[in-house]
Formats: sequence, C-alpha cells, structure tokens
Amino acid sequence: AQKITQTQPGMFVQEKEAVTLDCTYDTSDQSYGLFWYKQPSSGEMIFLIYQGSYDEQNATEGRYSLNFQKARKSANLVISASQLGDSAMYFCAMREVQTGANNLFFGTGTRLTVIP
Amino acid sequence: DAGVTQSPTHLIKTRGQQVTLRCSPKSGHDTVSWYQQALGQGPQFIFQYYEEEERQRGNFPDRFSGHQFPNYSSELNVNALLLGDSALYLCASSLAGDPTYNEQFFGPGTRLTVL
Repeated sequence: AQKITQTQPGMFVQEKEAVTLDCTYDTSDQSYGLFWYKQPSSGEMIFLIYQGSYDEQNATEGRYSLNFQKARKSANLVISASQLGDSAMYFCAMREVQTGANNLFFGTGTRLTVIP
Repeated sequence: DAGVTQSPTHLIKTRGQQVTLRCSPKSGHDTVSWYQQALGQGPQFIFQYYEEEERQRGNFPDRFSGHQFPNYSSELNVNALLLGDSALYLCASSLAGDPTYNEQFFGPGTRLTVL
C-alpha cells in the first residue's frame, strides 16, 4: 500500500485565491511527522511546513497552513493568496518516527499552476 | 551559511558504465540521505549515512552504494548503469538527535541521463 497518496496530478488556481492540495497517508505508527515540500522546475526540494502526529494545532507558516485530520489520515496543504511564484510541484511526505526510520516517504506530487 | 550542494549538475552516461555523485551537507549537519526521483514521480529513498556508515537502506539493488567522509560529505556510486537509472538524484542533509522532527534540507540534485 502506498504510504502517501496525492490524488490531484494537477491543480489550477487564480492569483490571490486560496488553494488546497490533498494528501492522505497510511501508517500504523503512533508517532510520525508530515511534511510538505515545493519543487520548482530547478529541481530543489524546498521545505514548506511540518506537522507532528501529536501536535494538536494545525501547523502554519506564513501563507501555508496544514489541515491535519488525524482520524481521516489526511494532511492537506492550504496556500492562501496564491502568487505566480507558487507555480511548482508540491510533494507531501511522511517520516515514521516510531519505527526508527529516518527516511521520508513521498507522494507522487501535485503540479500547481497559478493563473494571472 | 551554505546549504546542501551537489555535483555535478548534469551527467550523461551509457549503459554499463559507473557513475559517482557527490554531496556536501548543510553546515552543522551530520546525516546525509540520497533519493532517486524518476520523471513524474516523487523521490524514492536510496540510503542514509551517519557517522560514516550506512544506517538505513531503501529498496535499491547493490549496484547502488555510497560512502560518507569524516567531514560528513557523501558520495553515491551506481555501477552497471541501466536506462532505468536515468533520474534526478537528490541529496538531503539533516542533524541526527531529534527523534521527532528531522527536517531534511535538499540539494539542487544531479540529473543523470543513461543512454
């Protein structure tokens, strides 16, 4: 089974509007971390936001917020006030802390295009 | 503060050849992970090095090997290249010690093309 599922291959959003990128995960660990990365065409993975499984509050970082619904095993990324520079691939990733694993499991990504 | 650097940026090889990719971690980081990202896919974990030893390995054949040096920099070696090894190879560095939050900082990647 896939550990991270991103069901939106591509999304379009109007500049200055908000957009939600979906992510569901699968783990039996009680302790894990969820990450969102942005990958522009240059290839570098840019860290955006982190949510720990025991964090009660949804994580926020500037225009990025993570809508964490633990019971549904979802960790959707919300980008507010979209900008043209937000056009990129977005990846959801998970680290399973309880197993002692240090690697990240990534989804297949969502390509976001911001329309002027 | 230098981030993660990788070399070379691009590389073209032919089937059966061997390749070495290099990575220097972010200053202060002691752990290096390597990922392979095929076109249109998310990165897949290859292995991780800490204290000059392979600490963890993903589902990759033995043709993929690595090394970490005392200065924490790392190399990824791939032998007997196959067409399917064509991908973007990403290096990520992190600091061991925090078991709950282990942000990995990624480099710009090396794009390997196997002909």
